[in-house]
Amino acid sequence: SQQGEEDPQALSIQEGENATMNCSYKTSINNLQWYRQNSGRGLVHLILIRSNEREKHSGRLRVTLDTSKKSSSLLITASRAADTASYFCATDTTLTGANSKLTFGKGITLSVRP
Amino acid sequence: DTGVSQDPRHKITKRGQNVTFRCDPISEHNRLYWYRQTLGQGPEFLTYFQNEAQLEKSRLLSDRFSAERPKGSFSTLEIQRTEQGDSAMYLCASSYDWGKLFFGSGTQLSVL
Repeated sequence: SQQGEEDPQALSIQEGENATMNCSYKTSINNLQWYRQNSGRGLVHLILIRSNEREKHSGRLRVTLDTSKKSSSLLITASRAADTASYFCATDTTLTGANSKLTFGKGITLSVRP
Repeated sequence: DTGVSQDPRHKITKRGQNVTFRCDPISEHNRLYWYRQTLGQGPEFLTYFQNEAQLEKSRLLSDRFSAERPKGSFSTLEIQRTEQGDSAMYLCASSYDWGKLFFGSGTQLSVL
């Protein structure tokens, strides 16, 4: 079963615009991660935010976490055509870190038009 | 840069045949994961190893599926008596303790 649900399912924007993707989850988490996947390839880790963190930045990426609402958002600023990919949120629900595994959502398809 | 490698990249087989996939994780990583992904879906957890010990198996992993990680290095995933519903991308990932996962490019299985 999938713990996280991303929203929207698909997003199409113009190059240079910002892209905001949301993720909601159901149970308490140890951390939440965002991954990117180009068509037919494996996933690439983008950013990890721990349950005691509220915001994190990495280059053009900004992720927020609201544990009271059980939601996270990923913002990609100044998007480029190369950002076109599927984006997944993944939650680690093992609070101690032992036997941890990630549960992925269904993903968001982002298309950035040149 | 030696990332996670998976072999083969593509496998076409007939229903009822057995298939085996191999995953070589990043050498210093002690954790190894297998996921399965179908079109338009996110990866679904199958099983997980810490070193050579298989610590968790998903209910998705029927008795036709078996995974091994001898000596805590590479891993194999075998599917016996394949069915058309087994067609999917099989992804391997590794990590050092908990944290971010490093994924391989996957093995695309097509069962005819």
